Amino acid sequence: DAGITQSPRHKVTETGTPVTLRCHQTENHRYMYWYRQDPGHGLRLIHYSYGVKDTDKGEVSDGYSVSRSKTEDFLLTLESATSSQTSVYFCAISEQGSSYEQYFGPGTRLTVT
Amino acid sequence: GEDVEQSLFLSVREGDSSVINCTYTDSSSTYLYWYKQEPGAGLQLLTYIFSNMDMKQDQRLTVLLNKKDKHLSLRIADTQTGDSAIYFCAEIDSWGKLQFGAGTQVVVTP
Repeated sequence: DAGITQSPRHKVTETGTPVTLRCHQTENHRYMYWYRQDPGHGLRLIHYSYGVKDTDKGEVSDGYSVSRSKTEDFLLTLESATSSQTSVYFCAISEQGSSYEQYFGPGTRLTVT
Repeated sequence: GEDVEQSLFLSVREGDSSVINCTYTDSSSTYLYWYKQEPGAGLQLLTYIFSNMDMKQDQRLTVLLNKKDKHLSLRIADTQTGDSAIYFCAEIDSWGKLQFGAGTQVVVTP
């Protein structure tokens, strides 16, 4: 299994509070991704990174920001959490070689009350 | 993910074959993927197929690709209870990003 960890694994927070989720990899892969998973929608890309300090938006980026100051860490921040951001968040990594394989972390279940 | 479509549920008896179907929209996709998600876990890459192939077999798994109809299927032979999971089809879009279907819940009954 690819060395990807996410923290925290579970979090309950109140509407309006800031939340930061962390993804840590030990594979030295260049690309990192944040997805959210909601019933009926599969996985949707929030933001991704193609190198240290290089990030870009995905299809559902509103209300989220990211940072990548080191190859191994990719942070997802909800500046002011809303109930619509209750979801399961997955981090993924890839070296984006010829087959674009992505490897996923175990997920973070976030509940915004 | 709505550009990739899958049926939401499949029930299959243990020992039978399962067939999970998927349609996609981006004809320029170079790779198509099948991921498996067990309860409470992340997604695990099961297999993938390159767009110039029609079929790929990997032990109990067979992937069929019909590029003309943009149809992808995953066949699991001799389905076991451990195959109960959600299966996601995904394509690479023209920007190099994965687009996922909503997932097919497969339930294996004794």
